[in-house]
Amino acid sequence: KAGVTQTPRYLIKTRGQQVTLSCSPISGHRSVSWYQQTPGQGLQFLFEYFSETQRNKGNFPGRFSGRQFSNSRSEMNVSTLELGDSALYLCASSPSGTPDTQYFGPGTRLTVL
Amino acid sequence: SQQGEEDPQALSIQEGENATMNCSYKTSINNLQWYRQNSGRGLVHLILIRSNEREKHSGRLRVTLDTSKKSSSLLITASRAADTASYFCATDAIIQGAQKLVFGQGTRLTINP
Repeated sequence: KAGVTQTPRYLIKTRGQQVTLSCSPISGHRSVSWYQQTPGQGLQFLFEYFSETQRNKGNFPGRFSGRQFSNSRSEMNVSTLELGDSALYLCASSPSGTPDTQYFGPGTRLTVL
Repeated sequence: SQQGEEDPQALSIQEGENATMNCSYKTSINNLQWYRQNSGRGLVHLILIRSNEREKHSGRLRVTLDTSKKSSSLLITASRAADTASYFCATDAIIQGAQKLVFGQGTRLTINP
């Protein structure tokens, strides 16, 4: 099976812009989770979607949102970008979701200038 | 505060030596997982150990779990240069009424040739 794919791999934006990241899970996986990784805060959970419904949410402001489509593909949106949003955004999929084994994509490196 | 915390934060050893990393956590768990991350890439699942298991092996990896001490260790035997990576433990935790997978800050392992 093909692994988790994320697009784009690299992104440069300026403050105030918005960005949409995409994640395609492993075929058959219904759960997609998103994480933000920074040197200072480490890996932080953003949200989890399961069968098109948000099942869990981390402690991030409302500027961070996501959705999942009927084919399990997921998108994450960040509006009004801030410098502190610069990070590696990781998507992970699993057949039934947390707390089972997560299969991670390569990540999207977002730089906010 | 972190549910899972790794120790040490960084470890540098010679190729062929064994590497041991520790993880401590705060609340009761159903399972504990270890992941590896090569620089700037996605995480790769290594091993999952359930709360009723004490030890688990996978190739050169050995994981132990002591639920009474709320701690786990990951042992990599006969280390290789390719083992250079960051290693994270992840525990399931009930946060704000929802089950989430919480990652520690990681141990950065360097294998010197």
